[in-house]
Amino acid sequence: DGGITQSPKYLFRKEGQNVTLSCEQNLNHDAMYWYRQDPGQGLRLIYYSQIVNDFQKGDIAEGYSVSREKKESFPLTVTSAQKNPTAFYLCASSISELLAGVYNEQFFGPGTRLTVL
Amino acid sequence: QQPVQSPQAVILREGEDAVINCSSSKALYSVHWYRQKHGEAPVFLMILLKGGEQKGHEKISASFNEKKQQSSLYLTASQLSYSGTYFCGTEGTDKLIFGTGTRLQVFP
Repeated sequence: DGGITQSPKYLFRKEGQNVTLSCEQNLNHDAMYWYRQDPGQGLRLIYYSQIVNDFQKGDIAEGYSVSREKKESFPLTVTSAQKNPTAFYLCASSISELLAGVYNEQFFGPGTRLTVL
Repeated sequence: QQPVQSPQAVILREGEDAVINCSSSKALYSVHWYRQKHGEAPVFLMILLKGGEQKGHEKISASFNEKKQQSSLYLTASQLSYSGTYFCGTEGTDKLIFGTGTRLQVFP
């Protein structure tokens, strides 16, 4: 079955530590996204990538970094520079809007809940 | 540029109807709708395209008023499974911009 996976489901981090969240998809999608969701809030875009080896900052990129070395993978690193990292992190993928000419539906992973101790 | 959703929250009894609105300050070509159940990932409901084309996977209806730059999601004869937070998504530069969500709770 095709889909998008995130690991781990729950993650605990001490202040000052960097941590990497995994996101893998086997849908053959070119575009991938990272969102942050706080309780009662909407989805805020952290980073996105429309093609391998290229990515752009979203609305709240400070304190985060990403890489896109493979089409299937888009890991997110939460660095110690992120002052308030406790949140629910969602990864998504879609057919690249650059090719389809319209913003296609996004498929979301199950999310990683990060808690800073 | 974040779309504004209204109402922020809705409480219904099974079988009742609800309308969720999504308004944008800019002209739209398409509007996405997603539903997120508590603690889970958002799931795609439908895309409404300028010109009336609609792509969707569930029996939920929606409208897209290009002049008013607004979309409305219609939930009729609501079921318990309709509970969750509904998000609309509108076009930004190279990406979708999601609204803050409308929380819908359906009780027996």
